[in-house]
Amino acid sequence: SQQGEEDPQALSIQEGENATMNCSYKTSINNLQWYRQNSGRGLVHLILIRSNEREKHSGRLRVTLDTSKKSSSLLITASRAADTASYFCATGGTNAGKSTFGDGTTLTVKP
Amino acid sequence: GAVVSQHPSWVICKSGTSVKIECRSLDFQATTMFWYRQFPKQSLMLMATSNEGSKATYEQGVEKDKFLINHASLTLSTLTVTSAHPEDSSFYICSASRGNDSPLHFGNGTRLTVT
Repeated sequence: SQQGEEDPQALSIQEGENATMNCSYKTSINNLQWYRQNSGRGLVHLILIRSNEREKHSGRLRVTLDTSKKSSSLLITASRAADTASYFCATGGTNAGKSTFGDGTTLTVKP
Repeated sequence: GAVVSQHPSWVICKSGTSVKIECRSLDFQATTMFWYRQFPKQSLMLMATSNEGSKATYEQGVEKDKFLINHASLTLSTLTVTSAHPEDSSFYICSASRGNDSPLHFGNGTRLTVT
């Protein structure tokens, strides 16, 4: 199956709530990246976390990485309607930039 | 930040014709770019890795004669869908990276509709 599998596939929450998405992968990685995609658009990079890092923050985003469990999570705090999008994790290997994407989590934030 | 420009954003063509999609890195040199295909509500499927000055590396199952890739300069890669058929209708996205351990920067995608 695909390297990088997100869970859940779909998530619907109210504005102001936190949203947590998980990503599991199978092989060794150099880094793990999270991206956001609005419908019909390209992907936007959110956070890259390296294999020797355990946690990283960027604004309302918090990413954790557990290499022993081969999993990562993305937490969006105090969600807004504008956070509605699909979120993908991608695992980076040694090949420059060649990352493998999961199937994504579709997040809907209701106003 | 880095910007990747993809053009056109959408194109409608007749079956049997060819369509060229351009991907430009605007503020950094990209020796490697990537082309993906995305079906509705699905993930990105890597089609090929475009290497500046050399042949592209295609993923298994992707027809290299169907999807021609040219990476003639450090800032431009093109994907040509040759003899397009309705089943080629899809969303095509390109990306570029500054190198190992760097995030990917994506174009905004091209919606191809073959009638």
